[in-house]
Amino acid sequence: NAGVTQTPKFQVLKTGQSMTLQCAQDMNHNSMYWYRQDPGMGLRLIYYSASEGTTDKGEVPNGYNVSRLNKREFSLRLESAAPSQTSVYFCASNVNRNNSPLHFGNGTRLTVT
Amino acid sequence: QKEVEQNSGPLSVPEGAIASLNCTYSDRGSQSFFWYRQYSGKSPELIMFIYSNGDKEDGRFTAQLNKASQYVSLLIRDSQPSDSATYLCAMSRGGSNYKLTFGKGTLLTVNP
Repeated sequence: NAGVTQTPKFQVLKTGQSMTLQCAQDMNHNSMYWYRQDPGMGLRLIYYSASEGTTDKGEVPNGYNVSRLNKREFSLRLESAAPSQTSVYFCASNVNRNNSPLHFGNGTRLTVT
Repeated sequence: QKEVEQNSGPLSVPEGAIASLNCTYSDRGSQSFFWYRQYSGKSPELIMFIYSNGDKEDGRFTAQLNKASQYVSLLIRDSQPSDSATYLCAMSRGGSNYKLTFGKGTLLTVNP
């Protein structure tokens, strides 16, 4: 039981390059999320998917796109990376019920130069 | 005003003392409240959650919720150096909305 798995762990991009962050969970969770964490800013929600086939914007969606490929997988794409997207990205998941905590992946540290 | 406000810290306590971490929230529709611990360079891990007014104890940790005053707190008794971490408060509205909104976190240092 791996929980939530994110790849890659580290990535360096040049401004304007694109990349996709991958996330998969094996806990049969309905909902999946992408957060970014910046110093002094806490965790901010980028996009989430309440169930397979649906996606919604969070607090800071600009510059990102997502795909809920199936129940297990939820990817985050940066089409044209900017230095402001330098951050640590966390994928998380939970079940659709009250009091359901988030289970986090190990994070992806992205640097855009 | 951000939806979830935490005492900004950093907070420093001696080993064996009680550490008190506080969080206030603005959304009266919030139903469930969570405390996460995050060590430097690691992902957040759940400590406990609370959804009813009052206290909830789990080992050395006690969460307190007061919905009328819109605050939730976490007490850590007999603090240990291994408790040194950033503590994140989070909440969800529940119903059909299960996403969590996080505070900025409070850095706790427990000095031996």
